[in-house]
Amino acid sequence: DGGITQSPKYLFRKEGQNVTLSCEQNLNHDAMYWYRQDPGQGLRLIYYSQIVNDFQKGDIAEGYSVSREKKESFPLTVTSAQKNPTAFYLCASSNPGTGDTQYFGPGTRLTVL
Amino acid sequence: GENVEQHPSTLSVQEGDSAVIKCTYSDSASNYFPWYKQELGKRPQLIIDIRSNVGEKKDQRIAVTLNKTAKHFSLHITETQPEDSAVYFCAASDVNRDDKIIFGKGTRLHILP
Repeated sequence: DGGITQSPKYLFRKEGQNVTLSCEQNLNHDAMYWYRQDPGQGLRLIYYSQIVNDFQKGDIAEGYSVSREKKESFPLTVTSAQKNPTAFYLCASSNPGTGDTQYFGPGTRLTVL
Repeated sequence: GENVEQHPSTLSVQEGDSAVIKCTYSDSASNYFPWYKQELGKRPQLIIDIRSNVGEKKDQRIAVTLNKTAKHFSLHITETQPEDSAVYFCAASDVNRDDKIIFGKGTRLHILP
């Protein structure tokens, strides 16, 4: 699971502000994913991208936006439209069609003050 | 779409005893079933996986069984140790379709001294 980095590890945001979470991978994976994890909850898919310049909404995309301009990078913006953004955000990557699993980054804990 | 149910949500076992976590899935097309272990504040880590062409897989103290007919798969941990305490997630995906992995809600495993 080395090779996927997320920054920052902790992030504090005031209400009404947009904030961007970074995710970078050097595994040459085509697909990248963003999940949200709330305390005591499972992983919920926000957005995913299977190829550069293309991405799809997951189960809870409202209030979030992404871009995939480079294969290595898949930043997530948490907008002011997201009503309850305080959570642990995990990025993952994989190579579709190979049968290999997803590998996760270390996560970013976002707290809205 | 796929739906993964996981039970129990919390499990406490005496050190040295065995722990079993059970999952069911809804999409008969799912053919890849990874299990992840997540320690507090850290990323999920793959601990074992199984594909639909086998019924059982073992790696030291960890084993996974799959019953395709019943759409049911289980994680077995034998001779539990304190470091097994964590949250465990099951998941299912169809690697021939896309790499979207659907996760269960997780099981918090406590190993009692």
